[in-house]
Amino acid sequence: GQNIDQPTEMTATEGAIVQINCTYQTSGFNGLFWYQQHAGEAPTFLSYNVLDGLEEKGRFSSFLSRSKGYSYLLLKELQMKDSASYLCAVGDSNYQLIWGAGTKLIIKP
Amino acid sequence: GAVVSQHPSRVICKSGTSVKIECRSLDFQATTMFWYRQFPKQSLMLMATSNEGSKATYEQGVEKDKFLINHASLTLSTLTVTSAHPEDSSFYICSARDFGRDYNEQFFGPGTRLTVL
Repeated sequence: GQNIDQPTEMTATEGAIVQINCTYQTSGFNGLFWYQQHAGEAPTFLSYNVLDGLEEKGRFSSFLSRSKGYSYLLLKELQMKDSASYLCAVGDSNYQLIWGAGTKLIIKP
Repeated sequence: GAVVSQHPSRVICKSGTSVKIECRSLDFQATTMFWYRQFPKQSLMLMATSNEGSKATYEQGVEKDKFLINHASLTLSTLTVTSAHPEDSSFYICSARDFGRDYNEQFFGPGTRLTVL
């Protein structure tokens, strides 16, 4: 079957760094996406990885290892507004997105 | 670019009524749109994949006669919740895929919060 695993909840301190991991098992692979979702709002796109390695975009970076079925989202210089759920999604062989359950990130002052 | 709108943003209705939700891609053509449902503190659940000009593909457990999907044009898909009941109260989100882009990112609408009394 297809499976996306990510931690349910994480807590971090304002100004710190946090890494949210995602492991996946899917039928085929057409890219891995990270989305941010604030409570009561729709998801917004953060990053896309299709090749192994690190993609950096400002305070956010995303890493992919296809051989390990593993990705992480790295958030630096955390701000209170970063408190949200972070969703990992993988495009399968049909280009459907298979979604993880999301990681709720709580930022404390 | 790649903006998706949804209407209405919020709807409250009585049990037994039908509710139509519209999803529009404003600045690109979307041959494929997706309808999701999200209950509080849960992840997105794909309900169906809507393809322009053809019947929607429903996920297992989703009643196609209850959740009617129409994708009549390259920029519009509609979801009609027929004979809504309180258990249908949820956050409904559509997304659209822009095949003009290099990768299959989905662009999300802002969502519709449905409350059935």
